[in-house]
Amino acid sequence: DQQVKQNSPSLSVQEGRISILNCDYTNSMFDYFLWYKKYPAEGPTFLISISSIKDKNEDGRFTVFLNKSAKHLSLHIVPSQPGDSAVYFCAASAGLGGSYIPTFGRGTSLIVHP
Amino acid sequence: GAGVSQSPSNKVTEKGKDVELRCDPISGHTALYWYRQSLGQGLEFLIYFQGNSAPDKSGLPSDRFSAERTGGSVSTLTIQRTQQEDSAVYLCASSPTRGPYNEQFFGPGTRLTVL
Repeated sequence: DQQVKQNSPSLSVQEGRISILNCDYTNSMFDYFLWYKKYPAEGPTFLISISSIKDKNEDGRFTVFLNKSAKHLSLHIVPSQPGDSAVYFCAASAGLGGSYIPTFGRGTSLIVHP
Repeated sequence: GAGVSQSPSNKVTEKGKDVELRCDPISGHTALYWYRQSLGQGLEFLIYFQGNSAPDKSGLPSDRFSAERTGGSVSTLTIQRTQQEDSAVYLCASSPTRGPYNEQFFGPGTRLTVL
């Protein structure tokens, strides 16, 4: 039973356009969310995070939006660049009363075409 | 600075053999995690070490899997009597402090192939 779901296994976007990667979760105890990016033959690297007390966090071209009532978050990349082509993992963790161990989704493979 | 390192990078073994995978976390990081990623799957949690506390082994799939962390630093994941379904990329990650609000720093992984 997946608590963190990334329902789109892949996404293809033209360079310069917006990439939107989606993530849904089921556990209402989750209060911290992270996005990781993974290139082939490398480990995931941290990209951006958001606490449940916020609904938006921005870092350069990357913005994460959180909709707690819908248990949904999304990562926006604007403008998309070919170097952004990678697998993106959504992760969630629970603080007070929860586990310290992040739960990961299955990832979405983003391809940005020149 | 040095990141998380893992060795070997690739391991091919025969079914039934034991394997040991090593992880060197970032110096000073107190939390250490093991995950595995099977083909087409997400990151599956295996085990978590935090300082001198008893490890959280709730993700280990069977008693053939075990891990230890010596001196609060290097960790070894051991898989006994390997099976073909153990084939996966095994990833180690470390975090600087206890708690869920920290990013994890991942190593490059060990790709295990069981023939």
